[in-house]
Amino acid sequence: ETGVTQTPRHLVMGMTNKKSLKCEQHLGHNAMYWYKQSAKKPLELMFVYNFKEQTENNSVPSRFSPECPNSSHLFLHLHTLQPEDSALYLCASSQPPGTGGNEQFFGPGTRLTVL
Amino acid sequence: AQSVTQPDIHITVSEGASLELRCNYSYGATPYLFWYVQSPGQGLQLLLKYFSGDTLVQGIKGFEAEFKRSQSSFNLRKPSVHWSDAAEYFCAVGARDYKLSFGAGTTVTVRA
Repeated sequence: ETGVTQTPRHLVMGMTNKKSLKCEQHLGHNAMYWYKQSAKKPLELMFVYNFKEQTENNSVPSRFSPECPNSSHLFLHLHTLQPEDSALYLCASSQPPGTGGNEQFFGPGTRLTVL
Repeated sequence: AQSVTQPDIHITVSEGASLELRCNYSYGATPYLFWYVQSPGQGLQLLLKYFSGDTLVQGIKGFEAEFKRSQSSFNLRKPSVHWSDAAEYFCAVGARDYKLSFGAGTTVTVRA
């Protein structure tokens, strides 16, 4: 595997379900990100982890719970979601902030549908 | 806080014609600027980036962009588009920290 991978690629869940999204990066980066992409809206940064520590929570509802066990893996745990949470969830990684460039590499995303 | 405006929501261009996508940014210092492309059902792929130096930057797939500080712009160009260039294009601006601000995107349709 190369780059940034995300599983599953598609997920349909009910409002009472609990599910998790997984992201893995094979680039040796130390910063990882979750974004939400809704139709015709700019990407919304949700969470940032730098060296496994959460450094940004962009006022995300608590029904989204991130986890970063190491610098290569990032999870997004989902519970009691709402239909408006349906979107494409993108994971990205980069070199640590402030190291001269914050080029981010993106995974293919998980298309989430909440019924 | 930084922000990005992509004035064109949708552009249609004929195959073989030139393409220019506009991007205007707002940021108080020298920005880091990026163009990403997203094909349907895919994540974002970096086309090119500007950090410093030469204001005309070359990217992948035959794209280039020019940084114009006086106009706060970073427009993307391609001299001759291919059908495979049909996609959504995002401009982004960042600083030395990790935050990137993305524009809402421009959808490019290529007609035969």
